Amino acid sequence: GAGVSQTPSNKVTEKGKYVELRCDPISGHTALYWYRQSLGQGPEFLIYFQGTGAADDSGLPNDRFFAVRPEGSVSTLKIQRTERGDSAVYLCASNGGGTDTQYFGPGTRLTVL
Amino acid sequence: AQSVTQLGSHVSVSEGALVLLRCNYSSSVPPYLFWYVQYPNQGLQLLLKYTTGATLVKGINGFEAEFKKSETSFHLTKPSAHMSDAAEYFCAVTGRSGTYKYIFGTGTRLKVLA
Repeated sequence: GAGVSQTPSNKVTEKGKYVELRCDPISGHTALYWYRQSLGQGPEFLIYFQGTGAADDSGLPNDRFFAVRPEGSVSTLKIQRTERGDSAVYLCASNGGGTDTQYFGPGTRLTVL
Repeated sequence: AQSVTQLGSHVSVSEGALVLLRCNYSSSVPPYLFWYVQYPNQGLQLLLKYTTGATLVKGINGFEAEFKKSETSFHLTKPSAHMSDAAEYFCAVTGRSGTYKYIFGTGTRLKVLA
């Protein structure tokens, strides 16, 4: 596609449930980033993929959060045992690597009730 | 560690007035610097970036920013505000090596008054 796409655009879940958020990067982009934007805050880095491997997962808040990119394209962010504090907009970005501009998707708004 | 400070979480200007949004960074070496804009319910859109070379950078929609190493600043300006400029603006930095993850400021919401 022309840009980064993310699905779903909105996700409402109950505390304790498992959710998956999907990111489809720009075709050919080898680098993929996940960020989380809480209300009134700037985006915060979660994890970075170069190809299929997670090159930096230092931003994942705890072991309930996990992300994969099995074929080096689409990525899925997985959150287990969701908590109300996980409510935020989850942003995905991609680029060709290095200092190339990151292109952001529209985000998935996650609400945990 | 790198950090970004955006002074003023909310800025209001009259239509046609100068827009000035402030960004200061902290980094052991000069980073790469970015300004992104976020319209309601939309993703982040790049306005401009500084990597190397000329310190005055021109971006889209008439915005520009100047990298001042001595002041560790990268303030965003526009000579004349339009109603369509109302949005949230984020300053971000990334290192010149490593994972190139962005460190964002907390954002400035710009309101343009008619």
